Amino acid sequence: SQKIEQNSEALNIQEGKTATLTCNYTNYSPAYLQWYRQDPGRGPVFLLLIRENEKEKRKERLKVTFDTTLKQSLFHITASQPADSATYLCALENRYSTLTFGKGTMLLVSP
Amino acid sequence: DTAVSQTPKYLVTQMGNDKSIKCEQNLGHDTMYWYKQDSKKFLKIMFSYNNKELIINETVPNRFSPKSPDKAHLNLHINSLELGDSAVYFCASSQDQSRKRFFGQGTRLTVV
Repeated sequence: SQKIEQNSEALNIQEGKTATLTCNYTNYSPAYLQWYRQDPGRGPVFLLLIRENEKEKRKERLKVTFDTTLKQSLFHITASQPADSATYLCALENRYSTLTFGKGTMLLVSP
Repeated sequence: DTAVSQTPKYLVTQMGNDKSIKCEQNLGHDTMYWYKQDSKKFLKIMFSYNNKELIINETVPNRFSPKSPDKAHLNLHINSLELGDSAVYFCASSQDQSRKRFFGQGTRLTVV
């Protein structure tokens, strides 16, 4: 069955460091991969989208990589700030436009 | 201006009741969705509507029914509520099916 795995344990890092979150998937051939941020009590907010034929995408302090051979995406936040603390969701979209979310990884950035 | 708004934000109701959650988007998007986020934080698609046509219907009990009076609204009706229906329900929209989703703030439904 299709599975999207994100580290269920919270990632704790110090302010200024680079946070790296991992998204692995099995039994899936995504056309797109998206990353969302979710704060407590709020809806997810779109961050980045990367296509299957793209290796890397950047937006300000964010960088996403997409390796369809390894079936993995890495999400990086450089120069992290306490305001970056949130849960980050990976989502895979197939050619039929069905978007499936991972469980998310909580990021905690301490000052 | 709120892009995707849903009401109410909180809903507490007894088992067996029928309730509705409303959703409106002012983005001019042509596809709207309902997602359910359970206590384990999994966000699962329930329905999506494109131009008033239901295009996704996952294995959701038929007690749940989406109603779209127009392109800007997708309401969720739930009949005979059960304890297991307690969750946060999110409405979302997108310009087309293959683009980023814009989510509402969620409706926390508690069935007692």
